[in-house]
Amino acid sequence: QVTLKESGPVLVKPTETLTLTCTVSGFSLTNPSVGVSWIRQPPGKALEWLGNIFSNDEKSFGTSLKSRLTISKDTSKSQVVLTMTNMDPVDTATYYCARISYFDTSGLLANSFDFWGQGALVTVSS
Amino acid sequence: DIQMTQSPSSVSASVGDRVTITCRASQDITSYLIWYQQKPGKAPKVLIYAASKLQSGVPSRFSGSRSGTDFTLTISSLQPEDFATYYCQQGSTFPFTFGPGTRVDIK
Repeated sequence: QVTLKESGPVLVKPTETLTLTCTVSGFSLTNPSVGVSWIRQPPGKALEWLGNIFSNDEKSFGTSLKSRLTISKDTSKSQVVLTMTNMDPVDTATYYCARISYFDTSGLLANSFDFWGQGALVTVSS
Repeated sequence: DIQMTQSPSSVSASVGDRVTITCRASQDITSYLIWYQQKPGKAPKVLIYAASKLQSGVPSRFSGSRSGTDFTLTISSLQPEDFATYYCQQGSTFPFTFGPGTRVDIK
């Protein structure tokens, strides 16, 4: 069964760097049919896609935060790591990792986030 | 980036009502539109992908359709467990983008 779980600090100070780890099970990070994205949601607000890492280690990032983000993976540990530099109180949010399935079971292009972690609430405050 | 808008931002409805939510893309995304349901304190859940394909395990009262760059999510008969926030997401082009959400609450 597919699971994802985020881990990392619950509190970071302004200007610090946030590092979150997503540990996955039930699928391989080398499977070309899937990838892992990071998505965040400030309290009471909408979802914001941050970035994605593909099986071949290529990455794609959202436009507004691109300069502050790094995504990497360790396939032997089944982990995907997000780092976000220069944290600010406006970055307070629940951070989710999610599996993206590029295709459905019949081969139709889907690009949907079919499995999600439980989310990690990160508060930025001094 | 492709911008996604949703209307209405919130809707009050009763159990048994038919509810329709609209999502519009700022440019052509063909049928690469996904709908999610999110309940408070929980991660989103896929309902519909490819504009009209029902995700496995999702009740058939949920349906999706497309007309150009306008997409519709319909709940044919609202059930108590359907009170939630609904988001659309375009899966056509990176960076992926979500709509602002539509909250469905009890009338």
